[in-house]
Amino acid sequence: DTGVSQDPRHKITKRGQNVTFRCDPISEHNRLYWYRQTLGQGPEFLTYFQNEAQLEKSRLLSDRFSAERPKGSFSTLEIQRTEQGDSAMYLCASSFGTHNEKLFFGSGTQLSVL
Amino acid sequence: AQKITQTQPGMFVQEKEAVTLDCTYDTSDQSYGLFWYKQPSSGEMIFLIYQGSYDEQNATEGRYSLNFQKARKSANLVISASQLGDSAMYFCAMREPMNSGYSTLTFGKGTMLLVSP
Repeated sequence: DTGVSQDPRHKITKRGQNVTFRCDPISEHNRLYWYRQTLGQGPEFLTYFQNEAQLEKSRLLSDRFSAERPKGSFSTLEIQRTEQGDSAMYLCASSFGTHNEKLFFGSGTQLSVL
Repeated sequence: AQKITQTQPGMFVQEKEAVTLDCTYDTSDQSYGLFWYKQPSSGEMIFLIYQGSYDEQNATEGRYSLNFQKARKSANLVISASQLGDSAMYFCAMREPMNSGYSTLTFGKGTMLLVSP
């Protein structure tokens, strides 16, 4: 069990550029979540996958945000035409999917949009 | 809509003392779950403890215990015998049902705990 892995740890980009983040969940976990955390706030839910199916995406912040989980393994979160307001920590979590929904989080990707 | 409130932006405690971090919640669901997570400066959210709404006993995990008062809708985290390594942000969270029929977590704003020698 190597835990949830996220890459990169830090990303600096210019406004208007596209960025993509990767998350590798714990291997036996079928559920994967993306959250966004801004300074002074708790994590905010963005989207959710069960295996390869994206079952909840209504909380994605705009149509510039998209996520995929091909083959139900790793996941990517893409932000197109980044804006300064997108600067935040993007956290990935995975779980077995038990009723108490204990999530295991990665260390996040810190995005800075200049 | 579910809501988690953490009213303490920061707390200070001396090493080896106990500390209580407050959390109140608001929900109309009869069945719900409450969680506490720790976030050190490295950024990773670390699960600490879980309390189900129907659990009769307060949850305990080592030095962590959850003071669950259902009628008052509070779920305070108690850390006994604080250690320097406990310095971190602490988040209270509640299981939130989604339209898809599954659930995610809704988090409070967090409390920064600083443990001094």
